[in-house]
Amino acid sequence: DQQVKQNSPSLSVQEGRISILNCDYTNSMFDYFLWYKKYPAEGPTFLISISSIKDKNEDGRFTVFLNKSAKHLSLHIVPSQPGDSAVYFCSVSGSARQLTFGSGTQLTVLP
Amino acid sequence: SAVISQKPSRDICQRGTSLTIQCQVDSQVTMMFWYRQQPGQSLTLIATANQGSEATYESGFVIDKFPISRPNLTFSTLTVSNMSPEDSSIYLCSVEDRGEKLPHEQYFGPGTRLTVT
Repeated sequence: DQQVKQNSPSLSVQEGRISILNCDYTNSMFDYFLWYKKYPAEGPTFLISISSIKDKNEDGRFTVFLNKSAKHLSLHIVPSQPGDSAVYFCSVSGSARQLTFGSGTQLTVLP
Repeated sequence: SAVISQKPSRDICQRGTSLTIQCQVDSQVTMMFWYRQQPGQSLTLIATANQGSEATYESGFVIDKFPISRPNLTFSTLTVSNMSPEDSSIYLCSVEDRGEKLPHEQYFGPGTRLTVT
């Protein structure tokens, strides 16, 4: 049973436009939600997070939205840049502080 | 942030053999994690390794198949034993930032790409 789902394996966006990556989760007890970015041949790197008590967190071009009633979060990147092309993983953290990851979305930003 | 290195970066192994993956961190950390990413799939936690205690394995992973050592606060090894083609994956180690800021981020090594033939 997948606790974290990223239903879009891939997304292509034109440079300068907005990229929206989506993630659904099943357990309402998660405390934190994190997005990681992964380039080929590298380990994932932390991008942005949000606490369960908030509904929005912004960091430069990256904004994460949390809809607790729908158990849904999304990552918005605007404007998108070719260097943003990577695999993006949604992850959740509960009381055990372990991370559970979604399957990832490959974002391709076209110049 | 922590800088993590892994050895080897990749390997091709024959079924039935074992491979030991090393993870080195540039600072002392309490908790280290080992993950597996099978082709096209998510990162799955194999075990949590604390220095001075036995590793804690997640459901579906056992010590006989994935023995872990944690001899000090900067180093850990994961062995993939009696390998089969199903063990072909990227294996990653990570450490947790135990600073005051929440959530505690995890920093990942570059991964070891294992192919079992």
